Amino acid sequence: EVQLVQSGAEGRRPGESLRISCTASGYTFTSHYITWVRQMPGKGLEWLGRIDPAESYTDYSPSFRGHVTLSADKSTNTAFLQWSSLRASDNAIYYCARHSHGGNFLDHWGQGSLVTVSS
Amino acid sequence: DIHMTQSPSTLSASVGDKVTITCRASEDIDDWLAWYQQKPGRAPKLLISDASSLESGVPSRISGSRSGTEFNLTISNLQPDDYATYYCQQYDTYLITFGGGTKVEIK
Repeated sequence: EVQLVQSGAEGRRPGESLRISCTASGYTFTSHYITWVRQMPGKGLEWLGRIDPAESYTDYSPSFRGHVTLSADKSTNTAFLQWSSLRASDNAIYYCARHSHGGNFLDHWGQGSLVTVSS
Repeated sequence: DIHMTQSPSTLSASVGDKVTITCRASEDIDDWLAWYQQKPGRAPKLLISDASSLESGVPSRISGSRSGTEFNLTISNLQPDDYATYYCQQYDTYLITFGGGTKVEIK
């Protein structure tokens, strides 16, 4: 069974750093891209970017490039989303999702990680 | 970026109704469109890919269609389990984009 298990809720102050994780199981981690999606409170879905775990090649949405960093560790089947300096506007739930094989629709999703940024 | 315009934003319907949600792409995306269902406090769930291919386990009362750059998600015989928010997503390019969502509410 394919599973994506994300790290738990996190609280930080503006300007602090944070890394959240997404651990995959039930399939070959390096065979599917992983995407990250933001959902602000009461709002819709926004694509942040994707990573190829095999090569750690990344693509970013222009709206998020430079503010977030995607990475992956093949040895632990884990993808990461990282901020070096959080803003209050980063308050949201963040989902990781697996790309379909060779494609760009999202066939399995993590349960979401709540990030709270407040002074 | 390819922009996806989804309508309506909210839809009120009764059990047994037939409902249709529409997404319009700002340019030609062929059949590269997926539909997701999201319930409160849960992650989105893939329903349909390639505009009309139903995922395994999704009830056959749910269907997808395409006409040019307009895509429809239709739910026939609406059931209590169908009350949720639905999103379209284009994947014609690596820079994927979502529609704004349609909340299906109980009338």
